Amino acid sequence: EDQVTQSPEALRLQEGESSSLNCSYTVSGLRGLFWYRQDPGKGPEFLFTLYSAGEEKEKERLKATLTKKESFLHITAPKPEDSATYLCAVRVTGANSKLTFGKGITLSVRP
Amino acid sequence: DGGITQSPKYLFRKEGQNVTLSCEQNLNHDAMYWYRQDPGQGLRLIYYSQIVNDFQKGDIAEGYSVSREKKESFPLTVTSAQKNPTAFYLCASTPGQADQPQHFGDGTRLSIL
Repeated sequence: EDQVTQSPEALRLQEGESSSLNCSYTVSGLRGLFWYRQDPGKGPEFLFTLYSAGEEKEKERLKATLTKKESFLHITAPKPEDSATYLCAVRVTGANSKLTFGKGITLSVRP
Repeated sequence: DGGITQSPKYLFRKEGQNVTLSCEQNLNHDAMYWYRQDPGQGLRLIYYSQIVNDFQKGDIAEGYSVSREKKESFPLTVTSAQKNPTAFYLCASTPGQADQPQHFGDGTRLSIL
């Protein structure tokens, strides 16, 4: 069974304190790993897609990396507006376009 | 502006009542999805449709029904058979190319009266 595990469940940071969010996965064959940001009462907003081990993508203070077993979302010098829930999802081979999601990581950044 | 519109934002259901959640997209996407999100849980797939007039059950389809008569629209009906319908419901869509990310609407929150 395909599984996605995100850790920690919640993370509280001081503004400017860099950290990383983890997404580990156990799948039969990875076709893509997706990171989303979700604000309270809103739908998830797409951030990154990673397709193969060693790939990295960056956007402002966020950088996503991928290995054969896990992905990290690195947040450099976070600001309070980065506070949100970050979701990780995988698409596996043979699953058409279906995604399997982790439970999410709730990030709070204090000013 | 292209996007996915879900309505209503809030919905209340009485016992024994069926309710329908609307999802409309103007992105010309082929595939559409319905997810349920509960506190502390990941998104769980209810139904999905890759082309008009065709749809498949997801992981938690019991107590739900869908239709896909038009490319732009994918309504979800929560039937009285769904005994625990209180949740945040999200609709998503993606182009025909399977490796593209899914894009989401802003959800409908369903509660029991």
